[in-house]
Amino acid sequence: KQEVTQIPAALSVPEGENLVLNCSFTDSAIYNLQWFRQDPGKGLTSLLLIQSSQREQTSGRLNASLDKSSGRSTLYIAASQPGDSATYLCAVKSNFGNEKLTFGTGTRLTIIP
Amino acid sequence: DTAVSQTPKYLVTQMGNDKSIKCEQNLGHDTMYWYKQDSKKFLKIMFSYNNKELIINETVPNRFSPKSPDKAHLNLHINSLELGDSAVYFCASSQDMPGYGYTFGSGTRLTVV
Repeated sequence: KQEVTQIPAALSVPEGENLVLNCSFTDSAIYNLQWFRQDPGKGLTSLLLIQSSQREQTSGRLNASLDKSSGRSTLYIAASQPGDSATYLCAVKSNFGNEKLTFGTGTRLTIIP
Repeated sequence: DTAVSQTPKYLVTQMGNDKSIKCEQNLGHDTMYWYKQDSKKFLKIMFSYNNKELIINETVPNRFSPKSPDKAHLNLHINSLELGDSAVYFCASSQDMPGYGYTFGSGTRLTVV
């Protein structure tokens, strides 16, 4: 059974700093991994999707990496801004086909102006 | 706009009532899902449908019954609502091809009083 963990549960950093969010998963036989952000009271916004054959994906100030063998992914946010404050969730899809996403517990990020 | 849309956004109802949440996607995806986010913000799969066929049914009480009239719609009907059903319910869709992730709706906050 796939289990996804995100540490820390909460993180506060001053504006302008670079930061890294961590995600670990127990079963390395994944199809892809997706990072989402969730603002309070809102839905999930997809940030980056990494296929199992990829090592990283970039979008603007965001960079996500994937190391399947160690069961880890990181989300790097450069030059953080107050608008980056949200809960960040990673989710793993284990097999090709109609398998479910297994979500991590999330990291609540606060950027201090 | 291409999206996953669900209605209503908020639902407050008394214990014992029956209610439905509707979901529609215009992304042309083959698979749709219902996820439940509990008070600790953890997201867990409930159901998954692929081309109107049920493919995932996690341990969910029989009071919850999904219905998919076509592959663009997946509704959730809940009978005899209980206090513990209070949560945010998210609809999502995906296409099972490399490079395609999940798209989530904005959620329905259900409060049972």
